[in-house]
Amino acid sequence: ELKVEQNPLFLSMQEGKNYTIYCNYSTTSDRLYWYRQDPGKSLESLFVLLSNGAVKQEGRLMASLDTKARLSTLHITAAVHDLSATYFCAVNAPGNQFYFGTGTSLTVIP
Amino acid sequence: EAGVAQSPRYKIIEKRQSVAFWCNPISGHATLYWYQQILGQGPKLLIQFQNNGVVDDSQLPKDRFSAERLKGVDSTLKIQPAKLEDSAVYLCASSSLYRPIRGDYNEQFFGPGTRLTVL
Repeated sequence: ELKVEQNPLFLSMQEGKNYTIYCNYSTTSDRLYWYRQDPGKSLESLFVLLSNGAVKQEGRLMASLDTKARLSTLHITAAVHDLSATYFCAVNAPGNQFYFGTGTSLTVIP
Repeated sequence: EAGVAQSPRYKIIEKRQSVAFWCNPISGHATLYWYQQILGQGPKLLIQFQNNGVVDDSQLPKDRFSAERLKGVDSTLKIQPAKLEDSAVYLCASSSLYRPIRGDYNEQFFGPGTRLTVL
């Protein structure tokens, strides 16, 4: 079974600070997705990364993919309170199944 | 465009009872997924359909869980009998592609989920 690990599991950061969430996965895949989930809500798609070296940016969030290291990162720049949520990475396996990471619960403190 | 619909939104049952969840995917989406999300964890795939055929049900506890997708549109997920550890949010998602070709990707659209509490 494909394993997807995220760290940290919990992240508390002050507004204006930068931080990175890491996503490691255990098998070859060239499609990596990032999702956001607010409390009591469903998942919202943020990014899809399709190839080695891919980088996507939206506002204060930037995601990257290193398929050789089987690692994706989600970098937060100058955090604001609205970014408080749980972030999941997910790997699209060759059979088109999706395997999700454990999630990173982010709290941005004013 | 209407999103993925699920019902009910909330359900409370006692252990050993039965429960069923319903999902209506986005029109035209061939692939449908059911996930179980236990509090504090990431979604775990239970079953994946391509039209009305099962693609992957390797993580579905088949002694108590069943799912069907008649006519390749709506789907139902049933638990019989329920256990305490089945308490979770059950998410349905759909996508338009089955096996994306290189350079393409498979975007999943999630429904609001059904929160099940087993007492």
